[in-house]
Amino acid sequence: SQQGEEDPQALSIQEGENATMNCSYKTSINNLQWYRQNSGRGLVHLILIRSNEREKHSGRLRVTLDTSKKSSSLLITASRAADTASYFCATDPYPPGTYKYIFGTGTRLKVLA
Amino acid sequence: DADVTQTPRNRITKTGKRIMLECSQTKGHDRMYWYRQDPGLGLRLIYYSFDVKDINKGEISDGYSVSRQAQAKFSLSLESAIPNQTALYFCATSDGAPGQPNEKLFFGSGTQLSVL
Repeated sequence: SQQGEEDPQALSIQEGENATMNCSYKTSINNLQWYRQNSGRGLVHLILIRSNEREKHSGRLRVTLDTSKKSSSLLITASRAADTASYFCATDPYPPGTYKYIFGTGTRLKVLA
Repeated sequence: DADVTQTPRNRITKTGKRIMLECSQTKGHDRMYWYRQDPGLGLRLIYYSFDVKDINKGEISDGYSVSRQAQAKFSLSLESAIPNQTALYFCATSDGAPGQPNEKLFFGSGTQLSVL
């Protein structure tokens, strides 16, 4: 079964608006990552947040993590047409020793120019 | 040149055929993974390997086998392909250190496999 579930499944916004997507997961984690996939090709790492962190920023990206709710959100500010892609969360389950990432089902983001 | 290279990029085959998908990496990472992606299901882990002598099953290993021929090479085989193995397959590596949690994954460009 999927560890992560992203919400919404699809999102369409205008260029310049902010995009928020959410990820919920089932088990305790070591860390959570977000990846982007363009046009069904290889995923690209965006940002990693550890289980003891609550918020992290990278450029126009802001990630939050609430381990009590087993959820994370990815905010893309001032979106651009080039941000059009699918976004996936991936969790590294606890306890350590498994060392394998479990991916969610993804959010398809479309940014309209 | 790509750091994680998958071959072939596309493959069409018939039911019952044996297929091998290859992955090579120049990143020097010990950890390598095979995932498959189906529409609406995200990525699911097939097999993973943390060094040349280490092979582990993932969520959906039935019908697949792997070989870790060297640190840089990790091959996925379908012994007798069936239509529901039609999917986009990804190889990935990670820079986690031995005994330490994973860090980020680096993906190849994928192999689109169609089984008729």
